Amino acid sequence: QTVVTQEPPFSVSPGETVTLTCGLSSGSVSTSHYPSWYQQTPGQAPRTLIYNTNTRSSGVPDRFSGSILGNKAALTITGAQADDESDYYCLLYMGSYIWVFGGGTKLTVL
Amino acid sequence: QVQLVESGGGVVQPGRSLRLSCAASGFTFSNNGMHWVRQAPGKGLEWVALIWYDGSNKYYADSVEGRFTISRDNSKNTLYLQMNSLRAEDTAVYYCGRLTNWWIDYWGQGTLVTVSS
Repeated sequence: QTVVTQEPPFSVSPGETVTLTCGLSSGSVSTSHYPSWYQQTPGQAPRTLIYNTNTRSSGVPDRFSGSILGNKAALTITGAQADDESDYYCLLYMGSYIWVFGGGTKLTVL
Repeated sequence: QVQLVESGGGVVQPGRSLRLSCAASGFTFSNNGMHWVRQAPGKGLEWVALIWYDGSNKYYADSVEGRFTISRDNSKNTLYLQMNSLRAEDTAVYYCGRLTNWWIDYWGQGTLVTVSS
């Protein structure tokens, strides 16, 4: 069974640029997986940030961007702010109407 | 605006059943597939099930296949998740989400299901 991989907890300073990635235990992530990214703070529902690899959801600041980097999907935060401190999850479409979330990355901004 | 409101969560004994609902508003419900996603306490998100816009096709994660049934009533703008033979590991917040193309664009606020004796 394919596992979707994300980084362990990550810490950045305010104003820094950070890239979180989303990979596969076997194979490469491509645009055909329609990668999407979600932000979640404790006790809250997820919020959609990026869909279809690189399209920002309505109202999402342009410091958030999505891409494919090598064999992984990537979420880049350019100039991290304190309120970006959250858990970030990627979601991949695996085909045959099955989706799999990554394990999430906890981002600390301090 | 799009709103998804889950209900039906609670405490249930192992082996028993529970049905969750997700009331949709602010969009044409019958145009979109719908997901259920869950999150165990302190854990990550887990995709659970998908139903097509017209209810004609349903898909499940291996962890719930054969025990959970996703359904919808487009006349009531409501999505359901019938959960049978519940186990302790089904304890989670359950979210409904709207499918647009190949991703989830809107989420409900979630409803907590606790399976405990």
